[in-house]
Amino acid sequence: SQTIHQWPATLVQPVGSPLSLECTVEGTSNPNLYWYRQAAGRGLQLLFYSVGIGQISSEVPQNLSASRPQDRQFILSSKKLLLSDSGFYLCAWRAAGPGELFFGEGSRLTVL
Amino acid sequence: GENVEQHPSTLSVQEGDSAVIKCTYSDSASNYFPWYKQELGKRPQLIIDIRSNVGEKKDQRIAVTLNKTAKHFSLHITETQPEDSAVYFCAASGSNYQLIWGAGTKLIIKP
Repeated sequence: SQTIHQWPATLVQPVGSPLSLECTVEGTSNPNLYWYRQAAGRGLQLLFYSVGIGQISSEVPQNLSASRPQDRQFILSSKKLLLSDSGFYLCAWRAAGPGELFFGEGSRLTVL
Repeated sequence: GENVEQHPSTLSVQEGDSAVIKCTYSDSASNYFPWYKQELGKRPQLIIDIRSNVGEKKDQRIAVTLNKTAKHFSLHITETQPEDSAVYFCAASGSNYQLIWGAGTKLIIKP
């Protein structure tokens, strides 16, 4: 069966520090991969999605970037965090075509 | 592009009563409509979905109805229980099957 792993689960970072969140999917090949951010009490904001290795689409201009170095690996990065980057980051995957989106357990980021 | 509106933003119902959450979408080409439940501090999880060739789908106490003409779909929860308390998100598939999300409904079940 397919599983999705996301880490770290929680992190507290100072303003201006770098960020790296990692997500891996097991049990499937060529998944569509997504990074979402959710501010406290708010909805799901799509940040990036990828339909294949090295193919990244950005939905919102920001100081974040994403990379897909391997088929089932998706990384979210920042060189310098802002206070506004705080939130709950969710990685997700689905197979090609319309269908269920499976979310990772999330990474809660607090920028101080 | 696709736009999804969800109402109400907060819904408080007595335990045992029914709850209804409504969403409207703008793109008539959308063909997939999932509903996700997110408990506090947890990830969203699919509870039910419907495709455009079906008007209604049920799974125990949960049902979804779709009106393609009016471009709206609704989530119905009957005999609500305390564990139904959560935030519920609707979504509609846009171009390239990307999901466009509603803003969420916080459902509160009063004992």
